[in-house]
Amino acid sequence: DSGVTQTPKHLITATGQRVTLRCSPRSGDLSVYWYQQSLDQGLQFLIQYYNGEERAKGNILERFSAQQFPDLHSELNLSSLELGDSALYFCASSTKTGGEQYFGPGTRLTVT
Amino acid sequence: GQQLNQSPQSMFIQEGEDVSMNCTSSSIFNTWLWYKQDPGEGPVLLIALYKAGELTSNGRLTAQFGITRKDSFLNISASIPSDVGIYFCAGQERYGGSQGNLIFGKGTKLSVKP
Repeated sequence: DSGVTQTPKHLITATGQRVTLRCSPRSGDLSVYWYQQSLDQGLQFLIQYYNGEERAKGNILERFSAQQFPDLHSELNLSSLELGDSALYFCASSTKTGGEQYFGPGTRLTVT
Repeated sequence: GQQLNQSPQSMFIQEGEDVSMNCTSSSIFNTWLWYKQDPGEGPVLLIALYKAGELTSNGRLTAQFGITRKDSFLNISASIPSDVGIYFCAGQERYGGSQGNLIFGKGTKLSVKP
């Protein structure tokens, strides 16, 4: 158990819908990262937050957004969902803005 | 997006065999991390490397940070059935700076020889 929690574990929704994925980092970790894992693209970095502020952006679509709250949990919002958004979404956390990252169990999103 | 070249893509192991895999990059990294992922689970951190030339062990696993800072190697000695899974390398270009995101290899899938 990495200490990072993610909910929900599974999510099935229809195209055009909006969903919110939630992540709680390990106790004491200030950085939260979101990654997308699909079969053909592997693990891709989406966005990073550090102590409530956005720090880095990767290949995140404009339809996706995230935030980190004062209690350090983070939410990833995915809107206008398309079939191609079906993937595993992982949250990871670290103490600072670099070094070891610990991953949560992921949310499997299926868009039908 | 940018990715590392990880090889081999897959390999079959027989219990007791040693296993080697590696990652190469066109970029210099300040940190190399190795993860193992089981089906439907999140990646689990195995080894972290922070210095060029560093050799670090975790039980039967040994990883090295290449001298050029563009490659890393992972060796598993005396493999056992529970070593089956997908192993990922990940590189980080900066440490302690504004960006801490990881760039992942595509993985090496370890399976048991039939």
